[in-house]
Amino acid sequence: AQSVTQLGSHVSVSEGALVLLRCNYSSSVPPYLFWYVQYPNQGLQLLLKYTTGATLVKGINGFEAEFKKSETSFHLTKPSAHMSDAAEYFCAVSNSGGSNYKLTFGKGTLLTVNP
Amino acid sequence: DADVTQTPRNRITKTGKRIMLECSQTKGHDRMYWYRQDPGLGLRLIYYSFDVKDINKGEISDGYSVSRQAQAKFSLSLESAIPNQTALYFCATSDPGQANNEQFFGPGTRLTVL
Repeated sequence: AQSVTQLGSHVSVSEGALVLLRCNYSSSVPPYLFWYVQYPNQGLQLLLKYTTGATLVKGINGFEAEFKKSETSFHLTKPSAHMSDAAEYFCAVSNSGGSNYKLTFGKGTLLTVNP
Repeated sequence: DADVTQTPRNRITKTGKRIMLECSQTKGHDRMYWYRQDPGLGLRLIYYSFDVKDINKGEISDGYSVSRQAQAKFSLSLESAIPNQTALYFCATSDPGQANNEQFFGPGTRLTVL
């Protein structure tokens, strides 16, 4: 079985500060990892994904995430927060095994950016 | 143009009513999914379909049914709506040729059951 834990249901940062959203996963087979973003009153948009290869993944809007197998983590970062980054962020895991149809989501982290 | 569309976008209904939420996609994907989102719970899978003749229950299928009318259309029904089915519902698609199962989401339907 696979699962995702997002530490912190709500993160608040000042504009220009570092954004760090934490995601840990469990998977019995090599995982595929995703970050999705949900802006207010909108659907989910893919921010970035890790499949294979380079463990540091760059996404849209200046976000990046690093896959650390030894720590079973896939934390999302952005060096300098912008007001437009305020949204809910979801980490998700799929796997390379037989049940690879299944995308398991974390419970989400709401990011607030203060002026 | 949106690749995955959902209708209606908002719906308010009463307990006991039958409700259908519709999803259409132009991505040409075989796989389609229905999720519900509740605050603090993330997204949970209701039903999924690998093709028109292959429909499967997800983790929270009780009280819901689905119909895959065509490759491009996947509908979710609540036969007799109850208040705890008030939630945001998302349809998603994926390409089985992509091993990583990246999913593409519609804009969501906000359902309120009074």
